Amino acid sequence: GQNIDQPTEMTATEGAIVQINCTYQTSGFNGLFWYQQHAGEAPTFLSYNVLDGLEEKGRFSSFLSRSKGYSYLLLKELQMKDSASYLCAPMDSNYQLIWGAGTKLIIKP
Amino acid sequence: GAVVSQHPSRVICKSGTSVKIECRSLDFQATTMFWYRQFPKQSLMLMATSNEGSKATYEQGVEKDKFLINHASLTLSTLTVTSAHPEDSSFYICSARFSGDSYEQYFGPGTRLTVT
Repeated sequence: GQNIDQPTEMTATEGAIVQINCTYQTSGFNGLFWYQQHAGEAPTFLSYNVLDGLEEKGRFSSFLSRSKGYSYLLLKELQMKDSASYLCAPMDSNYQLIWGAGTKLIIKP
Repeated sequence: GAVVSQHPSRVICKSGTSVKIECRSLDFQATTMFWYRQFPKQSLMLMATSNEGSKATYEQGVEKDKFLINHASLTLSTLTVTSAHPEDSSFYICSARFSGDSYEQYFGPGTRLTVT
């Protein structure tokens, strides 16, 4: 079957760094997306990895290891507005996104 | 670019009535559109995938006669919830993508449906 595993909730301090891990099992693989979703809003795109390695984009970086079925999202210099859910979504062989419940990130002052 | 709109953003309807939700890609042609439903604190649940000019493909467990999807053009898809019941109350989100991209899905802002 297809499965996504992320921590349900994480807490971090404003200005700090946090790493959100994701392991996945899919039928085929065509890349992995990270989305941010604030409460009551639709997801917004953060990153896309299809090759192994680290992709850096400003304060956010995303890493992928296809052989391990593993990805992480790294958030630096945390701001209060980063409080949201972070969704790891791999794409299967049919180019369908597989969604987990996401990780709720709470930022404290 | 790649903006997707949804209308309405919120709707309240009475049990037994039907509600139509529109999803539009504003600045690109969407070869594929997706409809999701999300209950509080749960993951996005894909309801159906639609390609322009063809019938939607529904996920297992989603009633096609209850959730009517029409993808009449490359910029518009509609979801009609027929004979709505309180258990249909949810957050409905559409997304769109175009071919030749990284298969990124661009999401609309969502529609909050409340059935009384």
